Amino acid sequence: AQSVTQLGSHVSVSEGALVLLRCNYSSSVPPYLFWYVQYPNQGLQLLLKYTSAATLVKGINGFEAEFKKSETSFHLTKPSAHMSDAAEYFCAVIKAGTALIFGKGTTLSVSS
Amino acid sequence: DAGVTQSPTHLIKTRGQHVTLRCSPISGHKSVSWYQQVLGQGPQFIFQYYEKEERGRGNFPDRFSARQFPNYSSELNVNALLLGDSALYLCASSLDGVATDTQYFGPGTRLTVL
Repeated sequence: AQSVTQLGSHVSVSEGALVLLRCNYSSSVPPYLFWYVQYPNQGLQLLLKYTSAATLVKGINGFEAEFKKSETSFHLTKPSAHMSDAAEYFCAVIKAGTALIFGKGTTLSVSS
Repeated sequence: DAGVTQSPTHLIKTRGQHVTLRCSPISGHKSVSWYQQVLGQGPQFIFQYYEKEERGRGNFPDRFSARQFPNYSSELNVNALLLGDSALYLCASSLDGVATDTQYFGPGTRLTVL
Protein backbone atom coordinates (compact mmCIF):
# COMPACT_ATOMS: atom_id res chain seq x y z
CA ALA A 1 0.00 0.00 0.00
CA GLN A 2 1.18 3.47 -0.79
CA SER A 3 1.98 5.86 2.04
CA VAL A 4 4.30 8.72 2.93
CA THR A 5 6.06 9.65 6.17
CA GLN A 6 7.17 13.17 6.87
CA LEU A 7 10.07 13.34 9.30
CA GLY A 8 9.80 16.26 11.67
CA SER A 9 6.51 17.93 12.43
CA HIS A 10 8.20 21.31 12.85
CA VAL A 11 11.28 22.79 11.17
CA SER A 12 12.71 26.20 12.05
CA VAL A 13 15.23 28.06 9.90
CA SER A 14 16.64 31.56 9.66
CA GLU A 15 15.91 33.75 6.70
CA GLY A 16 18.46 32.97 3.98
CA ALA A 17 19.21 29.47 5.32
CA LEU A 18 18.71 26.19 3.50
CA VAL A 19 15.27 24.63 3.81
CA LEU A 20 15.13 20.82 3.96
CA LEU A 21 11.82 19.05 4.54
CA ARG A 22 11.97 15.27 4.60
CA CYS A 23 9.56 12.78 3.06
CA ASN A 24 9.90 9.03 2.71
CA TYR A 25 7.47 6.94 0.72
CA SER A 26 6.30 3.38 0.72
CA SER A 27 4.98 2.00 -2.53
CA SER A 28 4.82 -1.38 -4.21
CA VAL A 29 4.79 0.29 -7.62
CA PRO A 30 6.67 3.28 -9.05
CA PRO A 31 5.06 6.17 -7.20
CA TYR A 32 3.78 9.53 -8.29
CA LEU A 33 4.80 11.99 -5.56
CA PHE A 34 3.72 15.52 -4.75
CA TRP A 35 4.55 18.40 -2.43
CA TYR A 36 1.81 20.82 -1.48
CA VAL A 37 1.95 23.98 0.66
CA GLN A 38 -0.86 25.31 2.83
CA TYR A 39 -0.91 28.84 4.17
CA PRO A 40 -3.07 29.61 7.21
CA ASN A 41 -6.80 29.39 6.53
CA GLN A 42 -6.25 28.49 2.89
CA GLY A 43 -6.44 25.44 0.65
CA LEU A 44 -3.45 23.54 -0.69
CA GLN A 45 -1.21 24.74 -3.50
CA LEU A 46 0.94 22.38 -5.55
CA LEU A 47 4.66 23.10 -5.29
CA LEU A 48 5.90 20.28 -7.52
CA LYS A 49 5.24 16.72 -8.62
CA TYR A 50 7.21 13.66 -9.70
CA THR A 51 5.62 11.48 -12.35
CA SER A 52 8.48 9.18 -13.42
CA ALA A 53 10.30 11.69 -15.61
CA ALA A 54 13.41 13.53 -14.36
CA THR A 55 14.38 12.59 -10.79
CA LEU A 56 15.18 16.21 -9.90
CA VAL A 57 11.96 18.17 -10.00
CA LYS A 58 11.84 21.94 -9.92
CA GLY A 59 8.77 23.64 -8.58
CA ILE A 60 7.41 27.08 -7.85
CA ASN A 61 8.91 29.66 -5.50
CA GLY A 62 12.43 28.22 -5.82
CA PHE A 63 11.61 24.81 -4.34
CA GLU A 64 12.89 21.54 -5.74
CA ALA A 65 12.81 17.87 -4.77
CA GLU A 66 14.83 14.84 -5.73
CA PHE A 67 13.34 11.38 -6.15
CA LYS A 68 15.75 8.79 -4.75
CA LYS A 69 14.53 5.26 -5.30
CA SER A 70 17.38 3.67 -3.32
CA GLU A 71 16.44 5.72 -0.26
CA THR A 72 12.67 5.78 -0.95
CA SER A 73 12.86 9.52 -0.37
CA PHE A 74 11.47 12.68 -1.94
CA HIS A 75 12.88 15.49 0.20
CA LEU A 76 11.94 19.12 -0.51
CA THR A 77 14.66 21.78 -0.55
CA LYS A 78 15.10 25.49 -1.11
CA PRO A 79 18.55 27.09 -1.05
CA SER A 80 17.53 30.28 0.74
CA ALA A 81 14.48 30.63 2.96
CA HIS A 82 12.25 33.68 2.82
CA MET A 83 9.84 34.87 5.47
CA SER A 84 6.98 34.21 3.07
CA ASP A 85 7.88 30.48 3.02
CA ALA A 86 6.48 30.02 6.52
CA ALA A 87 3.58 27.58 6.08
CA GLU A 88 2.52 23.94 6.40
CA TYR A 89 4.04 21.56 3.86
CA PHE A 90 2.54 18.22 2.87
CA CYS A 91 4.09 15.36 0.97
CA ALA A 92 1.65 13.10 -0.86
CA VAL A 93 1.56 9.96 -2.99
CA ILE A 94 -1.10 8.81 -5.40
CA LYS A 95 -3.02 5.69 -4.37
CA ALA A 96 -5.29 3.54 -6.50
CA GLY A 97 -4.84 5.82 -9.46
CA THR A 98 -6.31 9.03 -8.24
CA ALA A 99 -6.56 9.46 -4.46
CA LEU A 100 -3.86 11.59 -2.86
CA ILE A 101 -2.50 10.11 0.37
CA PHE A 102 -0.95 12.85 2.46
CA GLY A 103 1.63 12.84 5.20
CA LYS A 104 0.92 14.52 8.53
CA GLY A 105 2.62 17.71 7.44
CA THR A 106 5.63 19.78 8.48
CA THR A 107 5.29 23.30 9.79
CA LEU A 108 8.07 25.55 8.52
CA SER A 109 8.94 28.59 10.61
CA VAL A 110 11.29 31.25 9.27
CA SER A 111 12.91 33.77 11.60
CA SER A 112 14.62 37.00 10.67
CA ASP B 1 -9.70 32.10 -14.74
CA ALA B 2 -11.48 31.37 -11.49
CA GLY B 3 -10.06 28.64 -9.34
CA VAL B 4 -11.96 26.00 -7.42
CA THR B 5 -14.71 27.59 -5.37
CA GLN B 6 -16.44 26.15 -2.31
CA SER B 7 -19.45 27.20 -0.31
CA PRO B 8 -20.13 28.00 2.39
CA THR B 9 -16.84 29.18 3.88
CA HIS B 10 -17.82 28.35 7.43
CA LEU B 11 -20.64 26.31 8.89
CA ILE B 12 -21.76 25.51 12.42
CA LYS B 13 -24.06 22.54 13.02
CA THR B 14 -25.15 20.47 15.99
CA ARG B 15 -24.80 16.74 16.47
CA GLY B 16 -27.30 14.69 14.50
CA GLN B 17 -27.91 17.32 11.85
CA HIS B 18 -27.24 17.02 8.14
CA VAL B 19 -24.92 19.22 6.08
CA THR B 20 -24.36 19.84 2.36
CA LEU B 21 -21.13 21.31 1.07
CA ARG B 22 -20.73 22.57 -2.48
CA CYS B 23 -17.86 22.76 -4.91
CA SER B 24 -17.40 24.28 -8.37
CA PRO B 25 -14.36 23.03 -10.27
CA ILE B 26 -12.08 24.97 -12.55
CA SER B 27 -13.70 25.48 -15.94
CA GLY B 28 -12.96 22.49 -18.18
CA HIS B 29 -12.11 20.14 -15.31
CA LYS B 30 -14.21 16.99 -15.27
CA SER B 31 -13.05 15.41 -12.02
CA VAL B 32 -13.75 16.47 -8.46
CA SER B 33 -12.34 14.97 -5.27
CA TRP B 34 -13.24 15.60 -1.64
CA TYR B 35 -10.88 15.53 1.32
CA GLN B 36 -11.33 15.95 5.07
CA GLN B 37 -8.61 17.74 7.02
CA VAL B 38 -8.82 17.48 10.78
CA LEU B 39 -6.88 20.11 12.69
CA GLY B 40 -3.18 19.27 12.81
CA GLN B 41 -3.40 16.44 10.26
CA GLY B 42 -2.97 15.99 6.55
CA PRO B 43 -6.06 15.80 4.33
CA GLN B 44 -7.78 12.42 4.03
CA PHE B 45 -9.40 11.27 0.80
CA ILE B 46 -13.20 10.88 0.91
CA PHE B 47 -14.45 10.61 -2.69
CA GLN B 48 -13.53 11.14 -6.30
CA TYR B 49 -16.02 11.74 -9.09
CA TYR B 50 -15.40 11.81 -12.82
CA GLU B 51 -18.08 12.49 -15.40
CA LYS B 52 -20.75 12.10 -12.69
CA GLU B 53 -19.57 8.61 -11.73
CA GLU B 54 -17.92 7.71 -8.45
CA ARG B 55 -14.39 6.66 -9.23
CA GLY B 56 -13.00 6.21 -5.75
CA ARG B 57 -14.05 6.16 -2.12
CA GLY B 58 -11.94 6.49 1.01
CA ASN B 59 -12.43 4.86 4.38
CA PHE B 60 -15.40 6.90 5.54
CA PRO B 61 -18.77 5.71 6.87
CA ASP B 62 -21.93 5.62 4.79
CA ARG B 63 -23.05 8.84 6.46
CA PHE B 64 -20.83 10.51 3.88
CA SER B 65 -22.13 10.70 0.32
CA ALA B 66 -21.49 12.84 -2.72
CA ARG B 67 -22.61 13.45 -6.23
CA GLN B 68 -21.47 15.30 -9.32
CA PHE B 69 -23.77 17.26 -11.59
CA PRO B 70 -23.77 17.60 -15.40
CA ASN B 71 -21.92 20.93 -15.09
CA TYR B 72 -19.22 19.02 -13.09
CA SER B 73 -19.97 20.81 -9.82
CA SER B 74 -20.27 18.57 -6.81
CA GLU B 75 -21.96 18.24 -3.43
CA LEU B 76 -20.73 16.45 -0.34
CA ASN B 77 -23.43 15.38 2.10
CA VAL B 78 -22.88 14.27 5.66
CA ASN B 79 -25.76 12.83 7.70
CA ALA B 80 -26.11 12.37 11.45
CA LEU B 81 -23.21 14.66 12.25
CA LEU B 82 -20.79 13.69 15.00
CA LEU B 83 -18.40 15.92 16.92
CA GLY B 84 -15.56 14.17 15.11
CA ASP B 85 -16.82 15.44 11.76
CA SER B 86 -15.55 18.90 12.68
CA ALA B 87 -12.88 19.61 10.08
CA LEU B 88 -11.88 21.58 7.02
CA TYR B 89 -13.45 19.98 3.96
CA LEU B 90 -11.45 20.49 0.82
CA CYS B 91 -12.54 20.06 -2.75
CA ALA B 92 -10.03 19.50 -5.55
CA SER B 93 -10.57 19.47 -9.28
CA SER B 94 -8.47 18.01 -12.06
CA LEU B 95 -8.74 17.83 -15.81
CA ASP B 96 -9.38 14.14 -16.39
CA GLY B 97 -8.93 12.58 -12.96
CA VAL B 98 -5.88 10.52 -13.89
CA ALA B 99 -2.89 9.98 -11.62
CA THR B 100 -0.58 12.43 -13.39
CA ASP B 101 -3.14 15.24 -13.34
CA THR B 102 -2.55 18.09 -10.93
CA GLN B 103 -5.32 18.40 -8.37
CA TYR B 104 -6.20 22.03 -7.70
CA PHE B 105 -7.65 22.69 -4.26
CA GLY B 106 -10.30 25.13 -3.19
CA PRO B 107 -10.09 27.19 0.02
CA GLY B 108 -12.24 24.70 1.91
CA THR B 109 -15.33 24.76 4.08
CA ARG B 110 -14.72 24.87 7.82
CA LEU B 111 -17.37 22.72 9.53
CA THR B 112 -17.83 22.93 13.27
CA VAL B 113 -20.12 20.41 14.96
CA LEU B 114 -21.31 21.33 18.45
